[in-house]
Amino acid sequence: DAGITQSPRHKVTETGTPVTLRCHQTENHRYMYWYRQDPGHGLRLIHYSYGVKDTDKGEVSDGYSVSRSKTEDFLLTLESATSSQTSVYFCAISESTNEQYFGPGTRLTVT
Amino acid sequence: RKEVEQDPGPFNVPEGATVAFNCTYSNSASQSFFWYRQDCRKEPKLLMSVYSSGNEDGRFTAQLNRASQYISLLIRDSKLSDSATYLCVVNEARGSARQLTFGSGTQLTVLP
Repeated sequence: DAGITQSPRHKVTETGTPVTLRCHQTENHRYMYWYRQDPGHGLRLIHYSYGVKDTDKGEVSDGYSVSRSKTEDFLLTLESATSSQTSVYFCAISESTNEQYFGPGTRLTVT
Repeated sequence: RKEVEQDPGPFNVPEGATVAFNCTYSNSASQSFFWYRQDCRKEPKLLMSVYSSGNEDGRFTAQLNRASQYISLLIRDSKLSDSATYLCVVNEARGSARQLTFGSGTQLTVLP
């Protein structure tokens, strides 16, 4: 399995609070991605990174920001959590082969 | 119209059966294709890439028809452990990276 970890694995937070999810890789892959997965929608891309300090928006980026200060870490921040952001969040990594490898996911509940 | 469409199922089949999943995609510029498998409450895992000539990996065969924008996955001699959701995935160059577009998945249950 690819060396990808996510933290925390589970989190419950209140509406309006900021939340940061962390993705850490040991594979030295260039690309990193954040997805959310919701019933009926499949996996949707939030943001991605194509190098240190290089990021871009995905399909559902509103309400989220990201940062990548080191190759191995990609942070996802919910600036002010809302109930619609209750979801399972997956991080993924890839190199030049196009296949992406996923972390174990973070289950986030916003009450 | 969804960019990647799959029959959500569920497909309930007996052990040993052959089952086929189909997937259509809307972007004719899509460049590469994959099947992922996702177990309940787990992350998606790459099952196989799909090549134009078709490819086989043990009991699994994937086919791509670019003219019809259609991808298929065939599972022969189904095992209980094949029970999972199968995600059809299309890769296209957008922005500064290749991005994956996921189908919503087809649920398979293999029954004893």
